[in-house]
Amino acid sequence: EAAVTQSPRNKVAVTGGKVTLSCNQTNNHNNMYWYRQDTGHGLRLIHYSYGAGSTEKGDIPDGYKASRPSQENFSLILELATPSQTSVYFCASGPGGQDTQYFGPGTRLLVL
Amino acid sequence: DAKTTQPDSMESTEGETVHLPCSHATISGNEYIYWYRQVPLQGPEYVTHGLQQNTTNSMAFLAIASDRKSSTLILPHVSLRDAAVYHCILRVANQGGSAKLIFGEGTKLTVSS
Repeated sequence: EAAVTQSPRNKVAVTGGKVTLSCNQTNNHNNMYWYRQDTGHGLRLIHYSYGAGSTEKGDIPDGYKASRPSQENFSLILELATPSQTSVYFCASGPGGQDTQYFGPGTRLLVL
Repeated sequence: DAKTTQPDSMESTEGETVHLPCSHATISGNEYIYWYRQVPLQGPEYVTHGLQQNTTNSMAFLAIASDRKSSTLILPHVSLRDAAVYHCILRVANQGGSAKLIFGEGTKLTVSS
């Protein structure tokens, strides 16, 4: 079964600080995704990637950067964190095409 | 992008068969219908998916209307572990074949003993 892990699981950051959320998958999936989940909005796609070195903007990319240095790792970077970025962030991976996406356990981020 | 409409909540009792409806009136011909579920403090979990034909697996039966404008996820003999928010999602292919899942609010299924 697909294994997607995220770190940290919980994070408290200060406004204006830099935050990096990490995601690792061990199933050699080409595609990886970052979503955020907020009450009243469901899951929204931030960035995604087709493979190492590739990053693409999702529906709500403003304020976020992504990095895919390898097949296994996909990071989400908040260069200047704001309280509006307080949320639960989910990473997912999938083999591409007509596939399912396998989600990690989530990272709970609080920006004060 | 095509959107889905689901009831906010449904209630059931252990052992019952539950029918979760989803409306997707503007679905495109190449969009697949995916169902995921999510329990608090965990990431979404894949349940099933289909294009035109009904599908079944160990978790659920997916019934798709002949015009594809609606579908129903059928959960036989639900248990307390089936209590979750169920999301009906349309899969939109991006350039290069990446699958973009558009999540809505879903249906919160409550199961009582």
